[in-house]
Amino acid sequence: NAGVTQTPKFQVLKTGQSMTLQCAQDMNHEYMSWYRQDPGMGLRLIHYSVGAGITDQGEVPNGYNVSRSTTEDFPLRLLSAAPSQTSVYFCASSYMIQGSSYNEQFFGPGTRLTVL
Amino acid sequence: GNSVTQMEGPVTLSEEAFLTINCTYTATGYPSLFWYVQYPGEGLQLLLKATKADDKGSNKGFEATYRKETTSFHLEKGSVQVSDSAVYFCALRSSGGSNYKLTFGKGTLLTVNP
Repeated sequence: NAGVTQTPKFQVLKTGQSMTLQCAQDMNHEYMSWYRQDPGMGLRLIHYSVGAGITDQGEVPNGYNVSRSTTEDFPLRLLSAAPSQTSVYFCASSYMIQGSSYNEQFFGPGTRLTVL
Repeated sequence: GNSVTQMEGPVTLSEEAFLTINCTYTATGYPSLFWYVQYPGEGLQLLLKATKADDKGSNKGFEATYRKETTSFHLEKGSVQVSDSAVYFCALRSSGGSNYKLTFGKGTLLTVNP
C-alpha cells in the first residue's frame, strides 16, 4: 500500500493564480480531510469528506474548494491564490467505523505552498 | 467547541533526560485523545491514543494517561534519545457516532542534544 500520497511536494504561485493540490489514498477509507499547518497555529481543518459525493467545511474553508468524485481522491483547489494561503497542506484519511477506536487518521507527506 | 492546549515550546533536553509535555482539553462528552509526532520534513504519525478515562496509551517508550478529572493527557518519556527530536501534537476527536474530525493543539518542538 502506498498509503496517503500528495502531489506536488513543493509549489510556488503568484497572487491570483489557481491550482489543485492532489491527494489520493489506497486504503479504501471513507473519511478524507485537508489541513493547513502554520507556525504556532497547529493544524487547522479546511474541508473534509465522509464519502464520495459528500463534502463539508472545516474551520478555515474560505478560498478553497474540494470535491470527492471517487473514494480514492480528494483534491483541494485554490481558486485565486493569496499570500495568506502560504502554508504546508496535509491530507489525511481514515475508516469510519462507528464506536470503534480503530479510526486512526493517516497523513500524507504534505505540500509546501508559497504564494508570492 | 472543542479545544486543545499544549505546552508551548521549544523544549530542549539532553539525551536520557525525562520528558513531559503537558496537554489539556475542552470537549463535551468523552472524546478520544491522541498524540501525533512529526519528524522533520514528514507528515504526522500517530504516536499513541486513549479512548476512555484512565486508559494509558503507550508506544516507543512514550506514555500518556487519559485523566478526565483534570481533562489532561500529558505525554511522558523516561529517557529521551536524539532520534525523538520532532514536533509533538496533542489532539482530540469528539465522541458521537458521526464525528471523525480531529482538533489539534499548536504543537511542541522537542530537540534532544547528545
